[in-house]
Amino acid sequence: DAGITQSPRHKVTETGTPVTLRCHQTENHRYMYWYRQDPGHGLRLIHYSYGVKDTDKGEVSDGYSVSRSKTEDFLLTLESATSSQTSVYFCAISGIRNREPYTFGSGTRLTVV
Amino acid sequence: DQQVKQNSPSLSVQEGRISILNCDYTNSMFDYFLWYKKYPAEGPTFLISISSIKDKNEDGRFTVFLNKSAKHLSLHIVPSQPGDSAVYFCAATRDRNTGTASKLTFGTGTRLQVTL
Repeated sequence: DAGITQSPRHKVTETGTPVTLRCHQTENHRYMYWYRQDPGHGLRLIHYSYGVKDTDKGEVSDGYSVSRSKTEDFLLTLESATSSQTSVYFCAISGIRNREPYTFGSGTRLTVV
Repeated sequence: DQQVKQNSPSLSVQEGRISILNCDYTNSMFDYFLWYKKYPAEGPTFLISISSIKDKNEDGRFTVFLNKSAKHLSLHIVPSQPGDSAVYFCAATRDRNTGTASKLTFGTGTRLQVTL
């Protein structure tokens, strides 16, 4: 979907290095989410944001931090990457209407070696 | 603790036949359910949803059925087409009021292959 982009699309990094993934939206949606997808686990919520500078933890937030300084950008940071954080990361957005479904980005495939 | 379960990792169906994908949930607080479809190297896309006040919702070839007492929902695709080959995720949430975040809990996914 052109309204949400993730960068980079692919990244290989070494254990112990910091990594930042970016999610950018052009829909002016209030809510933004970071999920990770792993075999046998489906998609699991890492962190989400309900406004500029307003964020909260999801199900699997350990080892991750987020920031949202502008409506359009939601950053996910792995402070010190570990092999267990090798995954595909998806950003999603949703508006304020009740029952509005998420729109997902195309994902970032991160490999920690 | 997997609150939303899709017990069939894969399903193969012939073109033109019905595909039935199943999903079970354990959290009785969930009252809104969605199905997403995912192609390789793409993000999931919304397919169809159902509120707990209904037991069926239909959109073209796609129908979702909800059995609240059994905490079970299913997605029916009739007729199945080769372009339906994808991974299907079931998701659940508490129906939110306007102005609050909607956090979805996803199942593990079912890979559907529609053969010619």
